Amino acid sequence: QSALTQPPSASGSPGQSVTISCTGTSSDVGGYNYVSWYQQHPGKAPKLLIYEVSKRPSGVPDRFSGSKSGNTASLTVSGLQAEDEADYYCSSYGGSNNVVFGGGTKLTVL
Amino acid sequence: EVQVVESGGGLVQPGGSLRLSCAASGFTFSRFWMTWVRQAPGKGLEWVAKIKQDGSEKYYVDSVRGRFTISRDNAKNSLYLQMNSLRADDTALYYCARDGFAVASDHWGQGTLVTVSS
Repeated sequence: QSALTQPPSASGSPGQSVTISCTGTSSDVGGYNYVSWYQQHPGKAPKLLIYEVSKRPSGVPDRFSGSKSGNTASLTVSGLQAEDEADYYCSSYGGSNNVVFGGGTKLTVL
Repeated sequence: EVQVVESGGGLVQPGGSLRLSCAASGFTFSRFWMTWVRQAPGKGLEWVAKIKQDGSEKYYVDSVRGRFTISRDNAKNSLYLQMNSLRADDTALYYCARDGFAVASDHWGQGTLVTVSS
């Protein structure tokens, strides 16, 4: 149950796109289409952005998109806005009914 | 409106016990898997445990298996986490969450803080 690997930080200017990676193994990210992404603002609870690799819950803007290639999943935020500045976490089914999170990425909007 | 509200956190000595509760409302509680996730101060999210709709299946992260027990009372729309043999590294904000999608939590509470310290 090792944590998934995310870059500690990412940044972009308003209007730009930024992609955050989430690297696991064939036992988690690569083995299942159960990757989720969460946004967490300081002092707030996490919010689900993406589930099952690329699906968005209702109410999540289509500026947020997810994908996966091999053992690496990605979250792309297009048309960056100031309110997108937050921590982002990926998670994946890890087999044997476990769930594993990434270490988190702090997104800064310049 | 879907809501989950945690309670029961506090300061406990190493080796002690604590029982967290999560009150759910605004949805049919018995239809959803439920999950506990924790976040140590200044750290990332860590999945702790999950329980099936009828309580028949329960799963835990390795670090808490044998010490923590997840349970639910569908008649009371409530989720619980019994935590025994607490250690300093269990100190965290504990979130209750509804698994609205497969392996994804779509509604979270605001968390309840557990501090393990002498």
